[in-house]
Amino acid sequence: NAGVTQTPKFQVLKTGQSMTLQCAQDMNHNSMYWYRQDPGMGLRLIYYSASEGTTDKGEVPNGYNVSRLNKREFSLRLESAAPSQTSVYFCASDDPLEGKLFFGSGTQLSVL
Amino acid sequence: LAKTTQPISMDSYEGQEVNITCSHNNIATNDYITWYQQFPSQGPRFIIQGYKTKVTNEVASLFIPADRKSSTLSLPRVSLSDTAVYYCLVGDMGNAGNMLTFGGGTRLMVKP
Repeated sequence: NAGVTQTPKFQVLKTGQSMTLQCAQDMNHNSMYWYRQDPGMGLRLIYYSASEGTTDKGEVPNGYNVSRLNKREFSLRLESAAPSQTSVYFCASDDPLEGKLFFGSGTQLSVL
Repeated sequence: LAKTTQPISMDSYEGQEVNITCSHNNIATNDYITWYQQFPSQGPRFIIQGYKTKVTNEVASLFIPADRKSSTLSLPRVSLSDTAVYYCLVGDMGNAGNMLTFGGGTRLMVKP
């Protein structure tokens, strides 16, 4: 099992550009999450999804959109990137039966 | 949401026992307490989880007093490889799609 897979691993954008971060899990988990982590800081929740077709805002949703088109995949979109969005983005999934979060390896995003 | 408070950093030496305490005064009845470990450039990974009293696994122990307003992660005989950031997460892990938010974490430095 691959677990939680994120692509790309690294990305550099110019201010105003758009891009989509991809996340897929192969553990048949219902819930998925997007976090951002600024240098030397903790994780902040951007958006989360309880199941296919449902999404909810987290602590810091402004400037982001998400899509949960199926059970496996949960994408994060930056419509107009800003330098303040420079961060490492982590996707995670969990299932009530597991009781714990499984994280991907992260996407390091720099916005110039 | 149960807000968590942890010390920002701790230092220890190889072979010592390390105890990291997390405060969560407004923990809810359905909330579990879960600890994660994060190394640089990696996503957090699960260490241990508990609801009340004491839980022990192969890497750590978790102590939770009767009022559940705090918890203590205990790492026995730490080594240099235990240098990492440790996060306490409090949330309802029994239902899908809960807003799981992390605190700032505790940066543990283990010295030779």
